[in-house]
Amino acid sequence: DTAVSQTPKYLVTQMGNDKSIKCEQNLGHDTMYWYKQDSKKFLKIMFSYNNKELIINETVPNRFSPKSPDKAHLNLHINSLELGDSAVYFCASRDGAEGQETQYFGPGTRLLVL
Amino acid sequence: AQKITQTQPGMFVQEKEAVTLDCTYDTSDQSYGLFWYKQPSSGEMIFLIYQGSYDEQNATEGRYSLNFQKARKSANLVISASQLGDSAMYFCAMREGYNTDKLIFGTGTRLQVFP
Repeated sequence: DTAVSQTPKYLVTQMGNDKSIKCEQNLGHDTMYWYKQDSKKFLKIMFSYNNKELIINETVPNRFSPKSPDKAHLNLHINSLELGDSAVYFCASRDGAEGQETQYFGPGTRLLVL
Repeated sequence: AQKITQTQPGMFVQEKEAVTLDCTYDTSDQSYGLFWYKQPSSGEMIFLIYQGSYDEQNATEGRYSLNFQKARKSANLVISASQLGDSAMYFCAMREGYNTDKLIFGTGTRLQVFP
């Protein structure tokens, strides 16, 4: 199936730990994103990458480090997890061609920091 | 100032009726895009419909249509013939400007469809 996929779907961890979330898209898209959805359902962009190059970094703490090994993957590594990092993290992708506006979202990763 | 405003935290509609979910936006750019996404209780974000600022016709996708009123800066989503499966959170979002790629989301409207 063509899609944006994320692993894991659920992540429960202790404060202070380091964790990674993986994202893969097989849509052939050039641009990938990470969004955070907080407990009030508010969605905010964190990062975007275009062909492995960082384009947007929305003043996210540097404990969050995105890594794009190739244009089909954009992983999110989080160091020294804090309680406030508990949220749903969505990966998304978009075809970079002119006129292709729509961002397609993955299923989300529900992170709970205890 | 809020870039995207969804003033209805919750809406109810009876099955088979039409419902309008409101969205207003704030931008000084001439080029922008407006989107609606659906988030059911299972949590995924599902793209519904897109309207470009230069599109002269209102966008339609099946039972979804976007009532785009550029002068009023509104982009309301109309769902016709509501179904029980339409119960979900609905988010309006904007891509602002030509060279920026991020989506700015509203706070969402929770729609409940009852039989």
